[in-house]
Amino acid sequence: LAKTTQPISMDSYEGQEVNITCSHNNIATNDYITWYQQFPSQGPRFIIQGYKTKVTNEVASLFIPADRKSSTLSLPRVSLSDTAVYYCLVGDNRSSASKIIFGSGTRLSIRP
Amino acid sequence: GAGVSQTPSNKVTEKGKYVELRCDPISGHTALYWYRQSLGQGPEFLIYFQGTGAADDSGLPNDRFFAVRPEGSVSTLKIQRTERGDSAVYLCASSSQGGSTEAFFGQGTRLTVV
Repeated sequence: LAKTTQPISMDSYEGQEVNITCSHNNIATNDYITWYQQFPSQGPRFIIQGYKTKVTNEVASLFIPADRKSSTLSLPRVSLSDTAVYYCLVGDNRSSASKIIFGSGTRLSIRP
Repeated sequence: GAGVSQTPSNKVTEKGKYVELRCDPISGHTALYWYRQSLGQGPEFLIYFQGTGAADDSGLPNDRFFAVRPEGSVSTLKIQRTERGDSAVYLCASSSQGGSTEAFFGQGTRLTVV
């Protein structure tokens, strides 16, 4: 399974755009990149998933360069409620043998 | 149900006792995962079911831990001879297909061994 590396923590302010970058140098050809968000006392929540280039949904954008060795989760105009831990994962979502492995995540703190 | 349900939400038990934690996945989801999360850490993989069978149990820490999913829906995580180090939040997740990295998590069961 490809290992991911992301910053332990980040701080930002309300209204700013926040970009969290994840490194996955050993990503395999069939691996997708997935991001989860976790609030205190809750289970993780799926945010976005992509394979290459750019994916956008109502919550975030995911930018993936051509070599796919990294990815960037972009949160536009954050609010206090975006304070959470964000996890970057890679895995083959077409393989029934693939399990979901979490790293330590990035603890994002948003200030007023 | 509308989401993944875990019961109980909190469980306090004495060292050496046996506990069972229950997970009701989203109806129709074939894949089910159990994780353990300690404070300040990411979820630690324990076991993954595809249908009724354990597709991967490599994360179970020792033979005191066991999980079943006899009918391919509800799952029970069983811990024998609990130790204080077993204290953690136990999370369950389900997904609509095996290996999917889009999984839906429950709120977890907070287990405290005293």
